Amino acid sequence: EAQVTQNPRYLITVTGKKLTVTCSQNMNHEYMSWYRQDPGLGLRQIYYSMNVEVTDKGDVPEGYKVSRKEKRNFPLILESPSPNQTSLYFCATSRRGGAGELFFGEGSRLTVL
Amino acid sequence: GEDVEQSLFLSVREGDSSVINCTYTDSSSTYLYWYKQEPGAGLQLLTYIFSNMDMKQDQRLTVLLNKKDKHLSLRIADTQTGDSAIYFCAEEPDNYGQNFVFGPGTRLSVLP
Repeated sequence: EAQVTQNPRYLITVTGKKLTVTCSQNMNHEYMSWYRQDPGLGLRQIYYSMNVEVTDKGDVPEGYKVSRKEKRNFPLILESPSPNQTSLYFCATSRRGGAGELFFGEGSRLTVL
Repeated sequence: GEDVEQSLFLSVREGDSSVINCTYTDSSSTYLYWYKQEPGAGLQLLTYIFSNMDMKQDQRLTVLLNKKDKHLSLRIADTQTGDSAIYFCAEEPDNYGQNFVFGPGTRLSVLP
């Protein structure tokens, strides 16, 4: 079954404590991306990756890091989380360079106290 | 920059038609998409329309595109309670599509 798997699904943490949200896909897609969803703002892109070792900033990259060491994984790293990073995060993949259908994970709800 | 706008809420009675509207800014968008998000889940592609089309119909769904006004709509015929969800309009501003632009989402509530 084609899947985009995110972990953890829910996390409550404190300001400044480094955390990583993992994303893994089994569809052999080259393109992967992270979004955050906030009420009234829709989805905003944080970072994306067109292929292994290729990453680029989206619209709201501040406070986040990513890496793409292998095709199937695209972790999102918050080095020093702050309360304004409290949000619902989605990983998404696409089979052809970002164009066409995006396949989303189920989301990771992060609360930073 | 690119911007996609939608009304945030819509309520309809079960069995009525729902019309969700969207306006976008980038006239070079190749594809325009409608995604559906059910409670506690990620987004799933509902339908899409190529920019050289005016209309696309798929069972209960009808997508209308007015390129001149940069207006996109999604009509759901015979709306059911299972259609209650958030619907996102999205545009793909360039050929590489690495930065889809999503609207804020319209929360559709279907009343019995």
